[in-house]
Amino acid sequence: AQSVSQHNHHVILSEAASLELGCNYSYGGTVNLFWYVQYPGQHLQLLLKYFSGDPLVKGIKGFEAEFIKSKFSFNLRKPSVQWSDTAEYFCAVNSNTGNQFYFGTGTSLTVIP
Amino acid sequence: ETGVTQTPRHLVMGMTNKKSLKCEQHLGHNAMYWYKQSAKKPLELMFVYNFKEQTENNSVPSRFSPECPNSSHLFLHLHTLQPEDSALYLCASSQDRLQATGELFFGEGSRLTVL
Repeated sequence: AQSVSQHNHHVILSEAASLELGCNYSYGGTVNLFWYVQYPGQHLQLLLKYFSGDPLVKGIKGFEAEFIKSKFSFNLRKPSVQWSDTAEYFCAVNSNTGNQFYFGTGTSLTVIP
Repeated sequence: ETGVTQTPRHLVMGMTNKKSLKCEQHLGHNAMYWYKQSAKKPLELMFVYNFKEQTENNSVPSRFSPECPNSSHLFLHLHTLQPEDSALYLCASSQDRLQATGELFFGEGSRLTVL
């Protein structure tokens, strides 16, 4: 079975600091990779996704993620965080042969003004 | 506004009650999902419906009973729940089960508390 690991459970940063959230998955086949974000009191929404092609993916609000196949990783990055980035971030994987999305436990990011 | 609407947003029920959660999507999608979100746990997939047919049931206890009368509506019927069933229940939809690159569109969730 597939699994997704997010090693950082809670991250606290000051505004303008750089962010990197780790995500590793276990699956031997071809996968699609996603980062979802859940702002306080809001629904989960897609931040960015990787299906194929350039392993460096750019998403909304200045976020990007890099797929490193050899490391089974899809880390999320942002060069300079803002207070409005305070949210819960979820990494997710789905194999391109099925419709099961496997989510990580989430990383809570708090950005201090 | 996500196009996926869940009601009620909050529900408190006793262990002997029977209640239902409702989900409606206005996106023209064919696949709908129920997820359970508990603190410090990954989102747990409960049920998947594709073209109104249930295609996944992830060993969910029978006290949770899904119903999908059409591609736009999904219900989760609840009866004789346990306190550990308290969680945020998320509904999601996607274009099609076979469109493997599809993304999920989530509702805002129904916060369930079982006393």
